[in-house]
Amino acid sequence: QLQLQESGPGLVKPSETLSLTCTVSGGSISSSSYYWGWIRQPPGKGLEWIGSIYYSGSTYYNPSLKSRVTISVDTSKNQFSLKLSSVTAADTAVYYCASVQWLAFDYWGQGTLVTVSS
Amino acid sequence: QTVVTQEPSFSVSPGGTVTLTCGLSSGSVSTSYYPSWYQQTPGQAPRTLIYSTNTRSSGVPDRFSGSILGNKAALTITGAQADDESDYYCVLYMGSGIYVFGTGTKVTVL
Repeated sequence: QLQLQESGPGLVKPSETLSLTCTVSGGSISSSSYYWGWIRQPPGKGLEWIGSIYYSGSTYYNPSLKSRVTISVDTSKNQFSLKLSSVTAADTAVYYCASVQWLAFDYWGQGTLVTVSS
Repeated sequence: QTVVTQEPSFSVSPGGTVTLTCGLSSGSVSTSYYPSWYQQTPGQAPRTLIYSTNTRSSGVPDRFSGSILGNKAALTITGAQADDESDYYCVLYMGSGIYVFGTGTKVTVL
């Protein structure tokens, strides 16, 4: 069974870049069966898909965030990463990583709260 | 911009049945959108319930079922239990690698 774990700073200053990593265990990130995704949830609000990546490096982004988002994969470390630039308070959220199979999110990380504040 | 709409809230009695829906701001939901459903309790990560319209994820009780009802995707909880009290989200696959989450439904069991 896959396990995913997010890591990264819990506090980011406005206008800076948010960087998070998701470490995958219990399976290979290079599996042809999976894509890998990032989802976020502002406090008290709903879920928002940020983007997804395949082990080959193919990426897909939410059009509303596309200009600020970069998702990458490191197969040697079994990790994939999220960078979100020019953050504002509106980017304060719990960020989740998840595996994507059968066009759905199946295994989820526990989530990590990132606060944007000076 | 595509909006995926869900009822804001529903109340169901213990043992009762409730059907949540997932619609599009413009157009009809079909199996081609591969609707999936997720359950989330406060402070927890979402749990996958249903994918590809009506396939239950591993370990999900059969009181949860997915379908297409009219022009919307639907999640039915039959024989609701107290621990079904949660937020429920649908997701639609829009093609070209793009996903959209629904607005979410808060289900109360009382």
